[in-house]
Amino acid sequence: VQLVESGGGLVQPGKSLKLSCSASGFTFSSYGMHWIRQAPGKGLDWVAYISSSSGTVYADAVKGRFTISRDNAKNTLYLQLNSLKSEDTAIYYCARSQGGGAPGYWGQGVMVTVSS
Amino acid sequence: DIQMTQSPSSLPASLGDRVTITCRASQDIGNYLRWFQQKPGKSPRLMIYGATNLAAGVPSRFSGSRSGSDYSLTINSLESEDMAIYYCLQHNEYPLTFGSGTKLEIK
Repeated sequence: VQLVESGGGLVQPGKSLKLSCSASGFTFSSYGMHWIRQAPGKGLDWVAYISSSSGTVYADAVKGRFTISRDNAKNTLYLQLNSLKSEDTAIYYCARSQGGGAPGYWGQGVMVTVSS
Repeated sequence: DIQMTQSPSSLPASLGDRVTITCRASQDIGNYLRWFQQKPGKSPRLMIYGATNLAAGVPSRFSGSRSGSDYSLTINSLESEDMAIYYCLQHNEYPLTFGSGTKLEIK
């Protein structure tokens, strides 16, 4: 199982960014996927989930601003981040569900910094 | 939302010690509880799933247990490679919620 995130960077408040997570080593279309974030020096914070059938769930803090999606043909998970706030500054991890839908395998993470 | 109250936040311990970290769930989560280990600069690693089951490749000195709404991670005979931050996660319902973390460090 390999998960590689990309697309992070420095972005101004109110702007948008799209993260990608490239998956390999397993049948991507068969697994639910999560995005989880970690602010600098802080704990883990679940962000969003997409099932294998593309049903989605979001944390209240990002609902209406972030969109999780997947392209099974490209073995890629996405997170569209809109209307970014300084409090969205974090490392964003993608994670594959493992045994019952909860996160199991994690990628290495990608940093998103929201600052003017 | 389900609150996971994790304690202690910091745990100084010596090599060879037996240590226990606890998470208390604010609502019933059954056995939908996982433990993760995170080392500096690394992504989290699954250690325990289903409250008591050892994940693949995890040393047998790690164990998980449950007593009512209290969930514990115990490490027997602490080794230097175990120094890390440990988080619990409930996945009984969305939103998934993590404990605040326990930093295990050498005394």
